[in-house]
Amino acid sequence: AQTVTQSQPEMSVQEAETVTLSCTYDTSESDYYLFWYKQPPSRQMILVIRQEAYKQQNATENRFSVNFQKAAKSFSLKISDSQLGDAAMYFCAYRSDAYGGATNKLIFGTGTLLAVQP
Amino acid sequence: SAVISQKPSRDICQRGTSLTIQCQVDSQVTMMFWYRQQPGQSLTLIATANQGSEATYESGFVIDKFPISRPNLTFSTLTVSNMSPEDSSIYLCSVVLGQGRDTQYFGPGTRLTVL
Repeated sequence: AQTVTQSQPEMSVQEAETVTLSCTYDTSESDYYLFWYKQPPSRQMILVIRQEAYKQQNATENRFSVNFQKAAKSFSLKISDSQLGDAAMYFCAYRSDAYGGATNKLIFGTGTLLAVQP
Repeated sequence: SAVISQKPSRDICQRGTSLTIQCQVDSQVTMMFWYRQQPGQSLTLIATANQGSEATYESGFVIDKFPISRPNLTFSTLTVSNMSPEDSSIYLCSVVLGQGRDTQYFGPGTRLTVL
C-alpha cells in the first residue's frame, strides 16, 4: 500500500523569505501523481501544485515550485517570497495512475503547519 | 475549475441523531468523493460516489453509518447516522476536474460537532 510521510509537523518562515516543506512517499508503482494542497483556517482545501510522475521537469506555479526526486521518492515544496497569506496547513498527497487512475483515491500525508512571521 | 458548495457549513448535533450534508457542483462531474478530517488530523476517504451506481466505501466505513446519495451529475449527499462524539470532524466533498480528470478539487467543508 502507498504511504505519504511529512516529517515536519510545524515550520516557520519570515515574510519574504523562502521555505521548503518536505514530503516522502512509498510506492511500487511507476505511474502516479503528486499534489500539494493548502488548508488555511477557513478549512477550504486549495490545490497548490501537481506533478505527474512521468515528467522529469519540476512543476512551478508562480511562487510555488517542487523538487521531485522520483528515485528517492521525495516531493518537496518550495515557497519563495513568503507572504502572510501563505500561513496554512500544507498537505502532500499521492494518487495512483494504475488502471488509468480509475479509483482516483488520494492518499494524504499528516500535514505541515506553516507560520509566516511578519 | 468549478464552484463547489456544501451545506451546512457547520452544525452542532446531539448524540444519536443524524445529519445530512449536501454537496453541489456548478458543472457535471462523474466522480465525487467524501472525506473525513478528524480534529488535528489528515483527510481520510470515506467513499467514492458515482452517479447511477452504489457508492464504494473504504475500509472502516459502512453504508449504514454513512449512507450516500448521488441522484445526478451535480449533487451528492452524505448522511452521518446515529452520531456519537467520535463523529465530530470536518466532512469534505471533492470532485475530479481537469483535462486528464486527474485532479481533485474540494468543497469548503462542513464542521460537525456532536455533543
